[in-house]
Amino acid sequence: GQQLNQSPQSMFIQEGEDVSMNCTSSSIFNTWLWYKQDPGEGPVLLIALYKAGELTSNGRLTAQFGITRKDSFLNISASIPSDVGIYFCAGRTGANNLFFGTGTRLTVIP
Amino acid sequence: DGGITQSPKYLFRKEGQNVTLSCEQNLNHDAMYWYRQDPGQGLRLIYYSQIVNDFQKGDIAEGYSVSREKKESFPLTVTSAQKNPTAFYLCASSTGGGRSYEQYFGPGTRLTVT
Repeated sequence: GQQLNQSPQSMFIQEGEDVSMNCTSSSIFNTWLWYKQDPGEGPVLLIALYKAGELTSNGRLTAQFGITRKDSFLNISASIPSDVGIYFCAGRTGANNLFFGTGTRLTVIP
Repeated sequence: DGGITQSPKYLFRKEGQNVTLSCEQNLNHDAMYWYRQDPGQGLRLIYYSQIVNDFQKGDIAEGYSVSREKKESFPLTVTSAQKNPTAFYLCASSTGGGRSYEQYFGPGTRLTVT
């Protein structure tokens, strides 16, 4: 399958700080999705991006579809304790299937 | 409530036994998927089905089998041929049309084989 490089692998931040993470690929993707997974649960879809350059927000979360179509970024503003979890990017090429990054584990220190 | 259910949440089996994981959705989604997740790793696609009575192998199908006799149901059987079956298994579904790539996940089944 496709390789998606997600960074950083883990982050420790103070409550109230902003967070940035990204996902890069050697291939061009047509769709980028961002998910959050709590321990022992299934991932929950946060944001979906369909066009290069697209910037979409969902509350304190903002994601962007990179202009090159080979990357995507997720920002979380004013982090709170419930933001703790693993954030996954997922991308789609010409086929229907998604390829997932290895995740960014976020820890928020109160 | 619409959603995807997986049962059971935890499953324990002895090595050499086949085991079937359940996945049901009432979202009226056409496509369904099975993923495997290992600690510290992303999700890897096992099988997917775009329509009833049809399914395709994903990246790691060896040692697994599926069926899709009903739109709502996509059970996964982990056979004794799967060399490392202990993992967290996630089922997902998606609708057709322009948003067909947004996959929604169930709560997962953690399988432990000893």
